[in-house]
Amino acid sequence: TQLLEQSPQFLSIQEGENLTVYCNSSSVFSSLQWYRQEPGEGPVLLVTVVTGGEVKKLKRLTFQFGDARKDSSLHITAAQPGDTGLYLCAGAGDYKLSFGAGTTVTVRA
Amino acid sequence: GAGVSQSPSNKVTEKGKDVELRCDPISGHTALYWYRQSLGQGLEFLIYFQGNSAPDKSGLPSDRFSAERTGGSVSTLTIQRTQQEDSAVYLCASSLALSVSYNEQFFGPGTRLTVL
Repeated sequence: TQLLEQSPQFLSIQEGENLTVYCNSSSVFSSLQWYRQEPGEGPVLLVTVVTGGEVKKLKRLTFQFGDARKDSSLHITAAQPGDTGLYLCAGAGDYKLSFGAGTTVTVRA
Repeated sequence: GAGVSQSPSNKVTEKGKDVELRCDPISGHTALYWYRQSLGQGLEFLIYFQGNSAPDKSGLPSDRFSAERTGGSVSTLTIQRTQQEDSAVYLCASSLALSVSYNEQFFGPGTRLTVL
């Protein structure tokens, strides 16, 4: 059983469109992290959100942490083929991360 | 600089054999983590090391799994009497210190284990 539920599981969109990935949990986390993983590689950290209600922007990516620190979203504006990959959210405990199952994003040129 | 490296990158073994997976963390990183990623699943936490010590081994799936770390550096994950359900990608990560919220974990490329 995953502590963190991600939706959708798969997302295929055309270049230039927007997309949102959701990460929900019944547990409260001290922080929540988003990773992107490409085939044959390990996940790479995109952002860490710590404060409830926090919004962070990285170029075309916007990350939001829910007020209750149980859920988060990742929004990509004007997606590009280079955004293709597996997006993973992870909740931070004292010493370990609990990962969601991931959202596979495909951006078609 | 060098990142986290893992070897072998691929391992095919027969059911019942033992396998040993190796992780070389980033130099100076005191914390080291092992995860398992099955097809269509997220990462499953297995074990962490602070220095050479593994305070919590409850994430290991069974007593066939063991891990050690020596010299505060290289770690090995050993799976004895492998089963087909052990097939997965085994990922290692290291971080400067243990607090996961404030210390980025850097992941290696993983070892893909296939048990026939």
